[in-house]
Amino acid sequence: GAVVSQHPSRVICKSGTSVKIECRSLDFQATTMFWYRQFPKQSLMLMATSNEGSKATYEQGVEKDKFLINHASLTLSTLTVTSAHPEDSSFYICSARDGGNRSPLHFGNGTRLTVT
Amino acid sequence: DAKTTQPTSMDCAEGRAANLPCNHSTISGNEYVYWYRQIHSQGPQYIIHGLKNNETNEMASLIITEDRKSSTLILPHATLRDTAVYYCIVHSGSARQLTFGSGTQLTVLP
Repeated sequence: GAVVSQHPSRVICKSGTSVKIECRSLDFQATTMFWYRQFPKQSLMLMATSNEGSKATYEQGVEKDKFLINHASLTLSTLTVTSAHPEDSSFYICSARDGGNRSPLHFGNGTRLTVT
Repeated sequence: DAKTTQPTSMDCAEGRAANLPCNHSTISGNEYVYWYRQIHSQGPQYIIHGLKNNETNEMASLIITEDRKSSTLILPHATLRDTAVYYCIVHSGSARQLTFGSGTQLTVLP
């Protein structure tokens, strides 16, 4: 089945630094990938839709200059958290479809970001 | 996409069937019902989806009522590894993204 790989699984960084998270579709091509964020005991919240070869679409309230998304190939999307602050500490999860809009989403295993 | 309502939590004895309900009374004709689950500290996992017919795969069965206003996910023989948050999502495909609600925390008890 379709596999989405996310790296790293855990990262700890200091305030003010930037962190890059990679999301790869291993056995299929994805023109669109989705980035979610999940705070403890809460549900997943969509942050942005990553589009191969064009700009990402951000959800309301998500700062595009803080959460930089690059989707340079059909199998790789990256999320960079710039100038990280402790309130950015969260669980970041990417996903993609192997097919049309009604195909199931396949998720990466998430990245636990802790900003100290 | 239509809104869904699920119980906050449920318990199930190991080896018994787990029946997870979902209400989606405002579902429209072109919307599918999807089920995902999320084991603690992992990414969500797709389970099953359907439009109006009942569906079964190696993981679960999905029973959709005739009026399509509710559905039930059935795990026929729950194991401890099935402890997770289960999300019922209604999606038409007109939007590319999925919107997650609060889900049901299923705890399988030994």
